[in-house]
Amino acid sequence: DQQVKQNSPSLSVQEGRISILNCDYTNSMFDYFLWYKKYPAEGPTFLISISSIKDKNEDGRFTVFLNKSAKHLSLHIVPSQPGDSAVYFCAAKSGGSNYKLTFGKGTLLTVNP
Amino acid sequence: GAGVSQSPRYKVAKRGQDVALRCDPISGHVSLFWYQQALGQGPEFLTYFQNEAQLDKSGLPSDRFFAERPEGSVSTLKIQRTQQEDSAVYLCASSSWGGVRNQPQHFGDGTRLSIL
Repeated sequence: DQQVKQNSPSLSVQEGRISILNCDYTNSMFDYFLWYKKYPAEGPTFLISISSIKDKNEDGRFTVFLNKSAKHLSLHIVPSQPGDSAVYFCAAKSGGSNYKLTFGKGTLLTVNP
Repeated sequence: GAGVSQSPRYKVAKRGQDVALRCDPISGHVSLFWYQQALGQGPEFLTYFQNEAQLDKSGLPSDRFFAERPEGSVSTLKIQRTQQEDSAVYLCASSSWGGVRNQPQHFGDGTRLSIL
């Protein structure tokens, strides 16, 4: 049972445009969400996070939006750069298990020059 | 500064052999985690240590999997009598304090295990 779902295996955008990566979750106990970026043959790198008490968090070109009622979050990258090409994982934690991350399957983002 | 270091980067073993995977966390990090990532999937939680105490091992797939962190620093994940389904990338992560919500987990580059 996939509790964190990333329904788009891949996404391709042009350099300079916006990239929007989506993530849905089913476990209503999740209250903290993270995005990780992964290059081939490397481990995931933390990108940005959001608590369930917020609906938006911004860090430079990266913004995460959370819609609790829809159990949906999205990562916006503006403007997209070729170096952003990587696999992006959505992950979630619950208050009862503050350390265990539950990951989605990832979305491969390709930014074309 | 040094990140999470895992060794070996690649390991090939024959079915039935035992393997040991090592993780050196970021210096001073209290919390250490092991995840298993199968091909095309996201990482899946295996086990969690706070210092030398293994607080959660609910994700270990079978009793063939064993993890330890005897001195609260380096950790070893051991798999006995390996099976083909154990083939995966094994990721180690550490964080400064697992009980603090906004402390992200920092991952190593993983050990890719292939069982023939």
